[in-house]
Amino acid sequence: GNSVTQMEGPVTLSEEAFLTINCTYTATGYPSLFWYVQYPGEGLQLLLKATKADDKGSNKGFEATYRKETTSFHLEKGSVQVSDSAVYFCALRDYGQNFVFGPGTRLSVLP
Amino acid sequence: DAGITQSPRHKVTETGTPVTLRCHQTENHRYMYWYRQDPGHGLRLIHYSYGVKDTDKGEVSDGYSVSRSKTEDFLLTLESATSSQTSVYFCAISEGWRGQIQLGASGLEETQYFGPGTRLLVL
Repeated sequence: GNSVTQMEGPVTLSEEAFLTINCTYTATGYPSLFWYVQYPGEGLQLLLKATKADDKGSNKGFEATYRKETTSFHLEKGSVQVSDSAVYFCALRDYGQNFVFGPGTRLSVLP
Repeated sequence: DAGITQSPRHKVTETGTPVTLRCHQTENHRYMYWYRQDPGHGLRLIHYSYGVKDTDKGEVSDGYSVSRSKTEDFLLTLESATSSQTSVYFCAISEGWRGQIQLGASGLEETQYFGPGTRLLVL
């Protein structure tokens, strides 16, 4: 079956540090890939997405590139802020109805 | 923000009692989903709906039932709550799904949008 693997963390960084959160997936066909972010006490919000190989999704300084050859969709940001502290979920959607989510990675950014 | 509300936002109940959670959307989206979120498990799909009166089971459906009598409302019922059902429950909606888009159906958005969640504690 389809699955998503990501580092669970927690990841702790200082403000302005470079962020990478790894995400790899297993799926048949050509899934769409997503990153969602969850701030404390809130629901999940779409951060970015990519629907085909080599697409790059970007939003709020975050980027992720759909790499079919390595089945990866790593999230990066060049300079994190305290306000980026949250839990980040990688997810895929294949030809079916449903999403498959990774376990989430908690990020803490210290001032 | 997508117009999705969940009620109640917090609930404490006792083992063996029935509980119903409500998800309401104002987007007229066809697909609605119920997830539970637990530490170490991420989000797991409980049930989903692909139209009025059309529902199907997800990964962790045991002990839960759902109903959708109107496009805008999707109800999740715990017939007899157990402590293992203590969790945070999220509703999500989407306009379409990837298969439809691949088949050339234009104008459909496959992204899921989430409600604010319901925190349920079963004592």
